[in-house]
Amino acid sequence: SQQGEEDPQALSIQEGENATMNCSYKTSINNLQWYRQNSGRGLVHLILIRSNEREKHSGRLRVTLDTSKKSSSLLITASRAADTASYFCATDDYTGNQFYFGTGTSLTVIP
Amino acid sequence: DAGVTQSPTHLIKTRGQQVTLRCSPKSGHDTVSWYQQALGQGPQFIFQYYEEEERQRGNFPDRFSGHQFPNYSSELNVNALLLGDSALYLCASSSRGHGSYNSPLHFGNGTRLTVT
Repeated sequence: SQQGEEDPQALSIQEGENATMNCSYKTSINNLQWYRQNSGRGLVHLILIRSNEREKHSGRLRVTLDTSKKSSSLLITASRAADTASYFCATDDYTGNQFYFGTGTSLTVIP
Repeated sequence: DAGVTQSPTHLIKTRGQQVTLRCSPKSGHDTVSWYQQALGQGPQFIFQYYEEEERQRGNFPDRFSGHQFPNYSSELNVNALLLGDSALYLCASSSRGHGSYNSPLHFGNGTRLTVT
C-alpha cells in the first residue's frame, strides 16, 4: 500500500504555539499534498509540493519533503483556534489519478 | 464561483437497499473522483470519471458503480448495501487540463450514509 501515515495521531497545543505534523509514505511520488478537514466537512487543499522540491511556504504553512526518506512535514506557525481540524497528507499513484490519504493528525488549538 | 456540491447531505438506508449519491463539480473542472471515508479514517479512493468514462478504480467491489454526465456532474451508486458501507462519501473534482498529478482536489462536504 502507498498509503501515507501521519504522526502524531493527535496533537494539542496552546494558541500562538507552532504545530508540526509528519507524514511517511512507501513508494515514489509525483507530488505530495496536505489537506485540512473540519469535523464532518469536506477536505480543503492546503499546499502541494512536487517531488523535485524540498520546501514550500504558504502563509503560516511550511512544508518540507525528503524523498530519500519518503517523508514530509507540515509546520503551522502561530497557531489559532480556527486551525483546530484534522490534517491529512496525500500522495498520488504513478498516473496522478488516484490519491492515497493517511489516517490524519487531529490538531486541537486551545485558546 | 460555485464549489463542489453534493446531495443529499445525509441518508439513512437499510441493508440490502440501493443508494444514489450526486455530485456537481467545481466550475471549470471536468474530472470527478469519489472517496469513501469511514469514521476516524482517511478517505479511500473509489473511482474517477473523466469524459463520461471510469478511468481508474480503487479496491472496491462491483456493488459500487458510477456515472458521469455530459455536464461533468456525477453519480455514485451502491447496490446491496452492507452495514460496513456506512461512511462519509466525498466527491472531489479537478481539471485534467492542468495535468492530473499537479491538480489539487476540490472536495464537497460529502454525503453521510448510514446503513442500518
